[in-house]
Amino acid sequence: QSVLTQPPSASGTPGQRVTISCSGSSSNIGSNTVNWYQQLPGTAPKVLIYRNNRRPSGVPDRFSGSKSGTSASLAISGLQSEDEAGYYCAAWDDNLKIWLFGGGTKLTVL
Amino acid sequence: QVQLQESGPGLLKPSETLSLTCTVSGVSIGDYYWSWIRQAPGKGLEWIGYMSYSGSTNYNPSLQSRPTIFRDTSKNQVSLKLGSVSTADTAVYYCAREGLYYYPSERWFDPWGPGTLVTVSS
Repeated sequence: QSVLTQPPSASGTPGQRVTISCSGSSSNIGSNTVNWYQQLPGTAPKVLIYRNNRRPSGVPDRFSGSKSGTSASLAISGLQSEDEAGYYCAAWDDNLKIWLFGGGTKLTVL
Repeated sequence: QVQLQESGPGLLKPSETLSLTCTVSGVSIGDYYWSWIRQAPGKGLEWIGYMSYSGSTNYNPSLQSRPTIFRDTSKNQVSLKLGSVSTADTAVYYCAREGLYYYPSERWFDPWGPGTLVTVSS
């Protein structure tokens, strides 16, 4: 039930800047903040960006989030090999009254 | 430091009831929202439901009234029951703290437990 749409894959070389998009609708991203989670292989997800663009302590400033209308983006600058992971956007949906996750984007560092 | 640990049977037969417990340390469960989230093998994340600090619950309707979330404040545990499981319920199940604010837009999942794999097979 991925009402939030993400590209299934993304890639970049070390040092590059990569962006991952998350598209929703007026009842979710258009009305609420977006959170981003990083899932390293074999581990539980962890929060990377909350409330659209805020970074928890310990998250490098290479990671940034933005939102415009019914879409959001995660940008990773200065790509590093340890950034190879799955990335998920999430937002509350006011109509369904549930948390929605995007389908996830697998980032490969070439 | 907040820590979460999921526990419960790892193997179930179709039609049985899944029962998992999330033991929380470092904070009182009565002060926050707590969610259960699952991830089928090789798939994305699916929100199951939450319990608020007041004890109210909210569930994903796609699970057709099968989940129940409850708590034991004396043990600082939040539990999940999912009835009538099928092979489609095979997944890693995570518990996560959702935050303390009333409005969902002010909440996010942090931290997460390590997760526990539940396999449904005849």
